[in-house]
Amino acid sequence: AQKITQTQPGMFVQEKEAVTLDCTYDTSDQSYGLFWYKQPSSGEMIFLIYQGSYDEQNATEGRYSLNFQKARKSANLVISASQLGDSAMYFCATSIIQGAQKLVFGQGTRLTINP
Amino acid sequence: NAGVTQTPKFQVLKTGQSMTLQCAQDMNHEYMSWYRQDPGMGLRLIHYSVGAGITDQGEVPNGYNVSRSTTEDFPLRLLSAAPSQTSVYFCASSSRPGLATDTQYFGPGTRLTVL
Repeated sequence: AQKITQTQPGMFVQEKEAVTLDCTYDTSDQSYGLFWYKQPSSGEMIFLIYQGSYDEQNATEGRYSLNFQKARKSANLVISASQLGDSAMYFCATSIIQGAQKLVFGQGTRLTINP
Repeated sequence: NAGVTQTPKFQVLKTGQSMTLQCAQDMNHEYMSWYRQDPGMGLRLIHYSVGAGITDQGEVPNGYNVSRSTTEDFPLRLLSAAPSQTSVYFCASSSRPGLATDTQYFGPGTRLTVL
């Protein structure tokens, strides 16, 4: 069964520093996606970035990049130049196709940016 | 373009009561799904639909019913609420349900408490 592991329950980072949130995955599928979502204290789920299993280059979206290491089954999120507004829960998810796409989520990492 | 909308934002029920959580999207997405998020956990899939008239079960379907009569709407019904259904419920949609790398976009969530 597909599984996502986020080993950092909480992280504290100084503003303007870069931060890496860890994510490892376990899947037997050849074609899959890896996604990161942000959940601020207001509760909504905000899509940040995704990586396809066949993509050779790491995905980037503004200050977010996904460090995809397929052999190690890791998909870490890197936030450059962190801001106070980056304080939130961050969830890693993988997609599986069983009839249709389904997302399997990790337990999340709570990121706190200190001024 | 409102994206994915959910009503109500908050709801308190007594054990045994029934209610329907509403979800609508205006992006003409084929795929819609319901997830629940329990404290300290990631999201888990309840039910999903790949188009009008087609629904299927996810990881945690017990106690919930769904139907999809239109592309836009995907309501979630609790027939007899139980305290174990206290959770935050998210609706999501995407355009290509058979593609592992397609992004699912989430609604703002409904916080449900069952007493």
